[in-house]
Amino acid sequence: AQTVTQSQPEMSVQEAETVTLSCTYDTSESDYYLFWYKQPPSRQMILVIRQEAYKQQNATENRFSVNFQKAAKSFSLKISDSQLGDAAMYFCAYSLSGGGADGLTFGKGTHLIIQP
Amino acid sequence: DTGVSQDPRHKITKRGQNVTFRCDPISEHNRLYWYRQTLGQGPEFLTYFQNEAQLEKSRLLSDRFSAERPKGSFSTLEIQRTEQGDSAMYLCASSSGTGALGTEAFFGQGTRLTVV
Repeated sequence: AQTVTQSQPEMSVQEAETVTLSCTYDTSESDYYLFWYKQPPSRQMILVIRQEAYKQQNATENRFSVNFQKAAKSFSLKISDSQLGDAAMYFCAYSLSGGGADGLTFGKGTHLIIQP
Repeated sequence: DTGVSQDPRHKITKRGQNVTFRCDPISEHNRLYWYRQTLGQGPEFLTYFQNEAQLEKSRLLSDRFSAERPKGSFSTLEIQRTEQGDSAMYLCASSSGTGALGTEAFFGQGTRLTVV
C-alpha cells in the first residue's frame, strides 16, 4: 500500500520569507501523481500544485514550486514570499491514477504559521 | 456558489443513532469521493462513485456505512448505529473525467460529526 509521510507537524516562517515543507512517499509504481493541498481554518481543501511522476520538470504555480526527487521518493513544497493568507494546514497526497477510482492518499499534514 | 456543497455542516448525535449526510458535487462532475478526517490526521479515502456506480470502497467503510448516488448527481453517506469512533469530519470531493486521468478534485467544507 502507498504511504505518504510528512515529518514536520508544524512550521513557522516570517512574512515575505521562503519556507519548504517536506513530503516523502512510498510506492512500487513508476507512474503516479503527487499533490499538495491547502486546508485553511474554514476546512475546505484547495489544490495548490500537482506533479505527474513521468514529468522530470518540477511543477510551479506562482509563488509555489515543488522539488520532485523521484528516486528518493521525495516531494517538497516551496512557498516563496510567504503571505499571511498562506497560513493553513498543508497536505501532501499521492494518487496512482491522478483522479480515478483510487482516490488520494494523504499525509498527516503540516501546520504552517506565518508570522507578521 | 457552484462549488461542492455538504449538508449539514455539523451534526451531534447520540451513540447508536443513525445519521445521513448529503453531498452536492459540482454539476458537471461525474466523479464523487467521500473521505473521513479525524483530528490531527489527513483525510482517508472511503469510497468513490463514477456517475451512479460505486466503483471503489475502502476497507475503512464498515458494514455500518453505506453510500449512494442514485441519479449520478448528489450523494448520501449513512452511518448506522453510530459509535464514538465515528466522530470525524466527513469530506466530499468531486471531479470529472473518463478513464484513469481525471481533473482536479474539488472538496466541500465537510460535515463534522460528533457522537456523544
